[in-house]
Amino acid sequence: SAVISQKPSRDICQRGTSLTIQCQVDSQVTMMFWYRQQPGQSLTLIATANQGSEATYESGFVIDKFPISRPNLTFSTLTVSNLSPEDSSIYLCSVVVEGQGNNQPQHFGDGTRLSIL
Amino acid sequence: LAKTTQPISMDSYEGQEVNITCSHNNIATNDYITWYQQFPSQGPRFIIQGYKTKVTNEVASLFIPADRKSSTLSLPRVSLSDTAVYYCLLGGSSASKIIFGSGTRLSIRP
Repeated sequence: SAVISQKPSRDICQRGTSLTIQCQVDSQVTMMFWYRQQPGQSLTLIATANQGSEATYESGFVIDKFPISRPNLTFSTLTVSNLSPEDSSIYLCSVVVEGQGNNQPQHFGDGTRLSIL
Repeated sequence: LAKTTQPISMDSYEGQEVNITCSHNNIATNDYITWYQQFPSQGPRFIIQGYKTKVTNEVASLFIPADRKSSTLSLPRVSLSDTAVYYCLLGGSSASKIIFGSGTRLSIRP
């Protein structure tokens, strides 16, 4: 597996501001993903963070609201822009560690708990 | 992506064996079955993965019948610390996205 560090672990933000969440991995990984988990709900995939190219967004998520950077194979950021109360959620990054076989599972960070005032 | 269906919640007692079944009638030929555990305030943690028959590791067993349309996660002798949400997922390769269902909220009582 891999050690995945997310910063910040939690934050409280004002409406209309933005928050950038960092995801750092202790080894180079090819695949990195960003998820959202709303209170009491399951996880929803926001996008796949592609190294060296634009992220691939899922239906319902757009780059203007959730810009993503992936400058190298160990780091990614997710920004949640123009915050509103509906953005109060836990945001998690996950990675796939290279290994034998073509079916390696994803490993998750512990998430960033975001609350909007 | 094929959908999975699990019970919303289950209750059991310490020391019991717990079996959580997941239905995936439309599983694709190249899909693997993966189970995750999530505690409050933590990210999902990988438990076990399999393709067919039976897989066992130090924490759980995964039973998959020949038609692969369902799978059962077996937790032997559960303790209070096994109280968590358990997710059953399908995925075809490391590069494929996975879809989280609603999961099963398992509560263990003393």
